[in-house]
Amino acid sequence: AQSVAQPEDQVNVAEGNPLTVKCTYSVSGNPYLFWYVQYPNRGLQFLLKYITGDNLVKGSYGFEAEFNKSQTSFHLKKPSALVSDSALYFCAVRDRGNTPLVFGKGTRLSVIA
Amino acid sequence: EPEVTQTPSHQVTQMGQEVILRCVPISNHLYFYWYRQILGQKVEFLVSFYNNEISEKSEIFDDQFSVERPDGSNFTLKIRSTKLEDSAMYFCASAPEREYEQYFGPGTRLTVT
Repeated sequence: AQSVAQPEDQVNVAEGNPLTVKCTYSVSGNPYLFWYVQYPNRGLQFLLKYITGDNLVKGSYGFEAEFNKSQTSFHLKKPSALVSDSALYFCAVRDRGNTPLVFGKGTRLSVIA
Repeated sequence: EPEVTQTPSHQVTQMGQEVILRCVPISNHLYFYWYRQILGQKVEFLVSFYNNEISEKSEIFDDQFSVERPDGSNFTLKIRSTKLEDSAMYFCASAPEREYEQYFGPGTRLTVT
């Protein structure tokens, strides 16, 4: 069965500092990996995905994520955090042979000015 | 930019009543999904729909739930007899192809009293 772990409920970072939101996954086959962001009272917005190819993928709003197969991780990163990045971030995975997304429990990012 | 839309944004209903949650997916998308998020918990898959039939469903999606695409644009989720534990945020999502990222609507908050 597929699963996603986001070990941190909350990440606090100062504006301008780099940020990392951690995600590890478990799938039976090759993974499709996704990051979504949820702002208050809004739906989930797609940030980026890893399907195949380069392990470093770039997405919206300056975010990037690194796929590490040996560590089964897909951490979300940004070189310089903005206050407006404060939101709830979800990592999700699906098996290539399967359709539904399996989500982590989410990590609340708080960027402090 | 095309968006998935959902109505209503908030629905309050009494236990035992039927509710219909409505979604308009992005127009050229072929795959449709419902997910739900109970307050403070993970986003959970309910059902996927393709070519006018259910392609996969979770254990949550029991006989009380049904989905329909009645007119080629709307995609609805019906709960026949709501229970208190059905209170959640329900998200509709769509994707152009099975293996692409899913685009989520803003959600309908269902409150069962």
